[in-house]
Amino acid sequence: GDSVTQMEGPVTLSEEAFLTINCTYTATGYPSLFWYVQYPGEGLQLLLKATKADDKGSNKGFEATYRKETTSFHLEKGSVQVSDSAVYFCALRDDYKLSFGAGTTVTVRA
Amino acid sequence: DGGITQSPKYLFRKEGQNVTLSCEQNLNHDAMYWYRQDPGQGLRLIYYSQIVNDFQKGDIAEGYSVSREKKESFPLTVTSAQKNPTAFYLCATATGPSTGELFFGEGSRLTVL
Repeated sequence: GDSVTQMEGPVTLSEEAFLTINCTYTATGYPSLFWYVQYPGEGLQLLLKATKADDKGSNKGFEATYRKETTSFHLEKGSVQVSDSAVYFCALRDDYKLSFGAGTTVTVRA
Repeated sequence: DGGITQSPKYLFRKEGQNVTLSCEQNLNHDAMYWYRQDPGQGLRLIYYSQIVNDFQKGDIAEGYSVSREKKESFPLTVTSAQKNPTAFYLCATATGPSTGELFFGEGSRLTVL
């Protein structure tokens, strides 16, 4: 079945550092790919998405490119802030079901 | 306000009791979902419903039950058969069988004492 594997955390960074969270997927069809963010005690919010190969999703300084040849959707941000501290989930959707990675906890220090 | 409302936000129950978590949406979305979140395990799908009066088991349906009598509502019952019910439960909606995103509620944290 479809699955997502993402980089294990936790990840601790200083403000203005570069962030990368790796995500790879396995799917039989042509899924859409997503990054969600979860702040403490809250539900998930969509951060960005890409619906086909070579699409780049971007939002709030974060970017990820849908790479079919490497089955990857790595999340990047060039300069993180303390407010980016959260848990980040990579996900894929094929038809009705959305499958998630285990999540990566990111802590940004001032 | 359009959105997804989950209640209660926090719930404590004794072992052996059934509990029902509420999920209501006014987004007019056809599909609704229940996920369970445990530390370090990401989100796992419990049940989902594509349309009213229809629902399917997800990956971890044992010990749970749902109903979909109205488009707006998709309550989840955690039964006494669920061996480890303490978790954070998330309800989500989507517009249909497409490649669009899911929209999530704020979650309900269930603690079984």
